[in-house]
Amino acid sequence: SQQGEEDPQALSIQEGENATMNCSYKTSINNLQWYRQNSGRGLVHLILIRSNEREKHSGRLRVTLDTSKKSSSLLITASRAADTASYFCATNTQETSGSRLTFGEGTQLTVNP
Amino acid sequence: GAGVSQSPSNKVTEKGKDVELRCDPISGHTALYWYRQRLGQGLEFLIYFQGNSAPDKSGLPSDRFSAERTGESVSTLTIQRTQQEDSAVYLCASSLDWNTGELFFGEGSRLTVL
Repeated sequence: SQQGEEDPQALSIQEGENATMNCSYKTSINNLQWYRQNSGRGLVHLILIRSNEREKHSGRLRVTLDTSKKSSSLLITASRAADTASYFCATNTQETSGSRLTFGEGTQLTVNP
Repeated sequence: GAGVSQSPSNKVTEKGKDVELRCDPISGHTALYWYRQRLGQGLEFLIYFQGNSAPDKSGLPSDRFSAERTGESVSTLTIQRTQQEDSAVYLCASSLDWNTGELFFGEGSRLTVL
């Protein structure tokens, strides 16, 4: 089973609204990362949050991490049509520190103009 | 180069043929990763290199899959006797070193096995 599981699988919103995506994982982590993938392209790193951090901001992105619940959320504020993409969380686990990131299945975000 | 480069971008082959996929990582990045992504799904880890060594080969799906890296640079993923279930996008990523969080991805090689 996947280490990271995103929720929802798909999200459709209007431009200007906020988009929230959630990620749950099973084992202890060193860090958790969020990536974005436009259709037919490679993944682009958005933000990394370490296991001892609870919240991190980058522009219109806000990431939270709750290690007690083994969950993270990605909030995109004031969404734009250009934010339409798939968003993946990836966990760097303590058992395989640095050697691999385990990705979830992703959330497909559609922002309607 | 400025980013991770993969070739070919698209490959169509017949069942039973061998294919080679190439990855040029960002210059100076010592860690290199291969992932597979089936249509509409997440990324499946295949293998990673630290330098020219592959400490973790556990993700390779079968003995038809192999990978090598030379000169702490270019990596080749080889799939022998391709099967239809091998059809996917193969993504390569590199990072500064094995303990650095952020991965830089290439655009992928889309493999279609007929």
